[in-house]
Amino acid sequence: SQQGEEDPQALSIQEGENATMNCSYKTSINNLQWYRQNSGRGLVHLILIRSNEREKHSGRLRVTLDTSKKSSSLLITASRAADTASYFCATDGSNSGYALNFGKGTSLLVTP
Amino acid sequence: DAGVIQSPRHEVTEMGQEVTLRCKPISGHDYLFWYRQTMMRGLELLIYFNNNVPIDDSGMPEDRFSAKMPNASFSTLKIQPSEPRDSAVYFCASSLGHPADTEAFFGQGTRLTVV
Repeated sequence: SQQGEEDPQALSIQEGENATMNCSYKTSINNLQWYRQNSGRGLVHLILIRSNEREKHSGRLRVTLDTSKKSSSLLITASRAADTASYFCATDGSNSGYALNFGKGTSLLVTP
Repeated sequence: DAGVIQSPRHEVTEMGQEVTLRCKPISGHDYLFWYRQTMMRGLELLIYFNNNVPIDDSGMPEDRFSAKMPNASFSTLKIQPSEPRDSAVYFCASSLGHPADTEAFFGQGTRLTVV
């Protein structure tokens, strides 16, 4: 069963702009992860944020977590055409035996 | 390490046939996961193993699906008999530690088409 839901489903921006994607989930979590999937490829891990953290950075990525609202956001700054991909949040809810459950993802298109 | 290796990359089969998907996890990883991805349902967890033992198979759609992990370096997902609604991309992933705490590494997937 799916735990997280990403919003928006699709996002189109121009190079240099920032892209923000949101994730909402239903049950309590230990950690939340973000993954990226290029067309026709497997998912690649981007960042993990723990439930006691509020913000985490990795290069041009910034992730926030608000456990009181059961939501997270992924910000990609100064986007590039190579950032075009689908982005997924993954949570480890107890309803999956603590394995990762993924949302349906946000499809990001960055145009030159 | 070559990463998680899945075979075949593409499989086209007729309804009613048996299909076997294969996965070689990253050496030393204790956890192995099978996911299915479709446009309608997104990425669904089917089953996962810890140290070759199935931990949670509640995502397996029905008895037509079965998964095995006979040793630490090999797993199979079998569908018998296959149906058109099984058409999807099937991903295998592995992780070094508990999935809640560590990143999962995904294979390239097997695109299954049942006609």
